[in-house]
Amino acid sequence: EVNLVESGGGLVQPGISLRLSCSTSGFTFTDYYMSWVRQPPGQALDWLGFIRNKANGYTTEYTASVKGRFTISRDNSQSILYLQMNTLRAEDSATYYCARVENYGNSWYFDVWGAGTTVTVSS
Amino acid sequence: DIQMTQTTSSLSASLGDRVTISCSASQDISNYLNWYQQKPDGTVKLLVYFTSSLHSGVPSRFSGSGSGTDYSLTISNLEPEDIATYYCQQYSKLPWTFGGGTKLEIK
Repeated sequence: EVNLVESGGGLVQPGISLRLSCSTSGFTFTDYYMSWVRQPPGQALDWLGFIRNKANGYTTEYTASVKGRFTISRDNSQSILYLQMNTLRAEDSATYYCARVENYGNSWYFDVWGAGTTVTVSS
Repeated sequence: DIQMTQTTSSLSASLGDRVTISCSASQDISNYLNWYQQKPDGTVKLLVYFTSSLHSGVPSRFSGSGSGTDYSLTISNLEPEDIATYYCQQYSKLPWTFGGGTKLEIK
């Protein structure tokens, strides 16, 4: 069974850095792009970025609002996805989801999601 | 960036109803459109990809359609477990973007 489990969330002060983890199992991790999506309280889902698979050199793409401040990486030996978040702001408070990206022909979609981990940025 | 608009933020319907949720893109996204369901506990699941392809295990009462800039998700014969928020998402161009969501409630 494919499984994604996020961890590392919590209450942090503004300006602090935090690293989220997403432990995966049940599939060949290196075959897949992996992505992070966040959801501020009461708001919509918001795509943050993805990291490509082995065949595509593990390169990354980000949405403009987090580019340069957030970094997505992966430990392929342990099948773990990371999100390094620097200089956190109150508006980064959200539930953070990791999601597996499936590619089928012309289709790209998030076919498996974790349960999310909550980050609250407040002094 | 491509803006995805779900003009109906909440919708109330009765069990057994046919419900249609709409999504509009700020430009032609060539059917590169997915639909997700988020339950009240936060669980997110893929329902439909590439406008109308039903994801494995999704009940056949769900269907998707559309083209160009306008897309819709239809639930026929609404069941209690369909109470959720539904999001569209485009992957025509980076950054991938989601709609604002449509919350479906039972009347």
